[in-house]
Amino acid sequence: ETGVTQTPRHLVMGMTNKKSLKCEQHLGHNAMYWYKQSAKKPLELMFVYSLEERVENNSVPSRFSPECPNSSHLFLHLHTLQPEDSALYLCASSQGVGSFSGNTIYFGEGSWLTVV
Amino acid sequence: RKEVEQDPGPFNVPEGATVAFNCTYSNSASQSFFWYRQDCRKEPKLLMSVYSSGNEDGRFTAQLNRASQYISLLIRDSKLSDSATYLCVVTGSGYSTLTFGKGTMLLVSP
Repeated sequence: ETGVTQTPRHLVMGMTNKKSLKCEQHLGHNAMYWYKQSAKKPLELMFVYSLEERVENNSVPSRFSPECPNSSHLFLHLHTLQPEDSALYLCASSQGVGSFSGNTIYFGEGSWLTVV
Repeated sequence: RKEVEQDPGPFNVPEGATVAFNCTYSNSASQSFFWYRQDCRKEPKLLMSVYSSGNEDGRFTAQLNRASQYISLLIRDSKLSDSATYLCVVTGSGYSTLTFGKGTMLLVSP
């Protein structure tokens, strides 16, 4: 059983819909992330939160809106998406941010998003 | 030059074979290095960290060459269950996050 759970696992939405992806981590970590994985592309970091504060935003379009109400929960609100936004969206957590020894990242199983 | 580069493969090997992957990185200030494994339509999972002195975990050996800015993963006695995509992951310095390579696909056949 993974320490990072994501819902829904699969989502199909129209371009005018509003939906949200939810992530919860049970590892006591302080940092949470959203990644996007498209076919034949490397994992792309979207957002990083450390202790509920957004610390990194990699030029993500405003149609993606993250929310981190506490250190265990992370949401990705979606609105007016485009078909090219169809991808696997992975939530992850780690003990902290930064490249210190042992700060490995743990992923959830992902949410498969299809925009029609 | 891409931040993290890997040969996408696929590497097709028979069971029992030894196979090696390399990964090059562009940021000379990178401090931490990892290999992750991703099965088809699954999330990436940590396979092993890569230490400066090299490290081994069972059939898997990871090495780091800072001078040439590459890391390697050696898999001995390949099993069918080793079939997956292997992601090279590198961090920068200080307050930063991971950069992933596109991955190298390994297919182990009977």
